[in-house]
Amino acid sequence: ETGVTQTPRHLVMGMTNKKSLKCEQHLGHNAMYWYKQSAKKPLELMFVYNFKEQTENNSVPSRFSPECPNSSHLFLHLHTLQPEDSALYLCASSQEPQGASYGYTFGSGTRLTVV
Amino acid sequence: AQKITQTQPGMFVQEKEAVTLDCTYDTSDPSYGLFWYKQPSSGEMIFLIYQGSYDQQNATEGRYSLNFQKARKSANLVISASQLGDSAMYFCAMSDTNAGKSTFGDGTTLTVKP
Repeated sequence: ETGVTQTPRHLVMGMTNKKSLKCEQHLGHNAMYWYKQSAKKPLELMFVYNFKEQTENNSVPSRFSPECPNSSHLFLHLHTLQPEDSALYLCASSQEPQGASYGYTFGSGTRLTVV
Repeated sequence: AQKITQTQPGMFVQEKEAVTLDCTYDTSDPSYGLFWYKQPSSGEMIFLIYQGSYDQQNATEGRYSLNFQKARKSANLVISASQLGDSAMYFCAMSDTNAGKSTFGDGTTLTVKP
């Protein structure tokens, strides 16, 4: 596989559930990101990992917990979510921090609905 | 703080014509990067083009060109010879190479008419 792969593509979960989003890249990139895209709001950066180390946590509530076991995989663990957390969650990777010259490669996203 | 402004929520263009999508930015940092991404209805964000703040020439990538006017702090995307497949949401973004933050605009929905 090439590019950035996100699973699942769609997820419906109750407010008391625990679920995880998975992101995988086979591009040899060193930085990985989680973004949240809500309707009528700009993309919100959630977390940044450079060489498996978290370098950015953009004031994200603790009910979102990221994990980066290696430079190719990124997870977002979800628990006790709220309906307003319903959104498209996008994973991205870049060759260098913040995609300074080459931009990000994004996955197709996970469409999350919290009921 | 960085800010990206895209003032056109929606745009229409006739197939085979050129279209300009506006983007203005605000930053106090001398070194930054500007990007455009395309998001089709499938959801995936696709990187289109990059312009560095110190680049003297406007960036071009195939049918995409970035009209960079540093003094006006604008980075408009020009799509030449529009195709039906260009219908999508387009996002302007800025990367601060020093602090390492990226900011996205609200996006412009482009519809190409046959």
